[in-house]
Amino acid sequence: DVKVTQSSRYLVKRTGEKVFLECVQDMDHENMFWYRQDPGLGLRLIYFSYDVKMKEKGDIPEGYSVSREKKERFSLILESASTNQTSMYLCASSTYGLAGAGTGELFFGEGSRLTVL
Amino acid sequence: AQSVTQLGSHVSVSEGALVLLRCNYSSSVPPYLFWYVQYPNQGLQLLLKYTTGATLVKGINGFEAEFKKSETSFHLTKPSAHMSDAAEYFCAVSAANNNDMRFGAGTRLTVKP
Repeated sequence: DVKVTQSSRYLVKRTGEKVFLECVQDMDHENMFWYRQDPGLGLRLIYFSYDVKMKEKGDIPEGYSVSREKKERFSLILESASTNQTSMYLCASSTYGLAGAGTGELFFGEGSRLTVL
Repeated sequence: AQSVTQLGSHVSVSEGALVLLRCNYSSSVPPYLFWYVQYPNQGLQLLLKYTTGATLVKGINGFEAEFKKSETSFHLTKPSAHMSDAAEYFCAVSAANNNDMRFGAGTRLTVKP
């Protein structure tokens, strides 16, 4: 089974702190994603990566950055945490969405709930 | 561009009753459609998916969904609700050769004893 592991399930940080959220997948997937989940808004894409050292902005990249130095690891960085970044953060991975090479189905980690005080 | 609308942010049913969660999509290319389920304090888990072929797809835990192109819908159903079905359900759309998956806002299902 595909396993996507997020390093921290619950974090509490103070405004202005730098925050690292780590995600590791064990199925050699090309694509990795960071989503933010807020009530009533569903999942919103922050950043995604389709290869090592490659990254693409999603819908809400402001205030975030990412790093993908190894294929299995995708990190989300909050350079200076703010209270409006209090949220659930979900990491996901997938194989490339070409027909016959995966359907783009996402495999999710259990989430990291971040509270910024 | 693709998008999804889930009708009803909360749905409540009695145990044993039919579950119907509604999803309509918009896509300029043939869509891939997904339903995911999220139990409290967990990530999302794939329930079922439609890519090509048979329009009625069956998933885990007795759920199924039907792709209706003419109605641009992909509603999720289960004939008889169980208490363990209480969760949040997300409809999502993407397309072949496309990593851009779009999610609906979610529907929270409550099952009453």
